[in-house]
Amino acid sequence: KNQVEQSPQSLIILEGKNCTLQCNYTVSPFSNLRWYKQDTGRGPVSLTIMTFSENTKSNGRYTATLDADTKQSSLHITASQLSDSASYICVVSAGGDDKIIFGKGTRLHILP
Amino acid sequence: DAGVIQSPRHEVTEMGQEVTLRCKPISGHNSLFWYRQTMMRGLELLIYFNNNVPIDDSGMPEDRFSAKMPNASFSTLKIQPSEPRDSAVYFCASSLGSRRTNTEAFFGQGTRLTVV
Repeated sequence: KNQVEQSPQSLIILEGKNCTLQCNYTVSPFSNLRWYKQDTGRGPVSLTIMTFSENTKSNGRYTATLDADTKQSSLHITASQLSDSASYICVVSAGGDDKIIFGKGTRLHILP
Repeated sequence: DAGVIQSPRHEVTEMGQEVTLRCKPISGHNSLFWYRQTMMRGLELLIYFNNNVPIDDSGMPEDRFSAKMPNASFSTLKIQPSEPRDSAVYFCASSLGSRRTNTEAFFGQGTRLTVV
């Protein structure tokens, strides 16, 4: 069964600290993996898109990694800011039937 | 470009009433997606259009839900009759290319639907 599991469910860190969010998937065949940031009351905004051949992709202070062998991805946030407080959603697209499978998200809170 | 525009932003309706949500995708985008988001289930894809044609509606919960895309610049999601369990935030997103391509999808602000 195609699934995307994210951890932790929620995370609280102090401003300026780094953090890493995890995404494990069982989607097969794999097409691509996306990380989205969703601010409260807003629509998700794409951070990164990675295909099978990409191991790392950065977008400013956000760095996503992908290990296609272990079917794991991580999103690392460096020097967190208050504006990083949001939900981060991992989304995996399957090849073949083109299904899109969503994780439940990690709720990140940055404290001053 | 103003991005994906959804209306209304908030909708409160009584159970049994018809609800119509509207979406204007980004000009030039040829893929359009309707999603539903709840605390319990997260984001769920309801239906995907490519070049105005419904390609995948397997996520539409039941016959009470219907979606149309009469032209490249407009889509509607209709619920008739609405039920309290339909309460959620409904997002529309658009992208260039097909669902298979690795292009970014842009989301609207969402419509928060409350059925009482």
